[in-house]
Amino acid sequence: QKEVEQNSGPLSVPEGAIASLNCTYSDRVSQSFFWYRQYSGKSPELIMSIYSNGDKEDGRFTAQLNKASQYVSLLIRDSQPSDSATYLCAVNTGNQFYFGTGTSLTVIP
Amino acid sequence: DTAVSQTPKYLVTQMGNDKSIKCEQNLGHDTMYWYKQDSKKFLKIMFSYNNKELIINETVPNRFSPKSPDKAHLNLHINSLELGDSAVYFCASSRAIGGTYNEQFFGPGTRLTVL
Repeated sequence: QKEVEQNSGPLSVPEGAIASLNCTYSDRVSQSFFWYRQYSGKSPELIMSIYSNGDKEDGRFTAQLNKASQYVSLLIRDSQPSDSATYLCAVNTGNQFYFGTGTSLTVIP
Repeated sequence: DTAVSQTPKYLVTQMGNDKSIKCEQNLGHDTMYWYKQDSKKFLKIMFSYNNKELIINETVPNRFSPKSPDKAHLNLHINSLELGDSAVYFCASSRAIGGTYNEQFFGPGTRLTVL
């Protein structure tokens, strides 16, 4: 079982819709959770970090963490074509960092 | 002002050669990392240094040797390059490795092609 699992997609949403990205992780003692956005040919860019259960909002982005279910999600409201990218979920457990394989999102104008 | 920089951006070389990639961060972070992203876009940690001390050393061939002359620099030297080493190598840094200060910021990447 992979440490971090994501639906690879592709996920397509119309412009203005809500995009929902999901991630599960295997280690119950994982402490920190991150969402990165990666455009093709570019480096990962940090969008959100979340450390405790519940929701964390930043502009159009909301991260949700449920440690009991070992689940973390990212909601993108009012999706824009510029949001089209691969979204990587990352989990920190102790000194280890694990990335998911990413979900490809396409926002259709 | 580039926060995390890497050189070179592209590296094309022959099998068997030795090459180095350099990384520098001006964020004042204590922890730096090397990641490898393969052709399937899977990002895997290779090494982590905290204040010049090796913290994480994943199962990578010992042909790969990181060196941290100070906490702002983490270089990666690769000996006897193989075809399978072709990938994009990312450097990253964070304030710390644990707690709530471990948000990582990535450099632009070095695309290594071994012929």
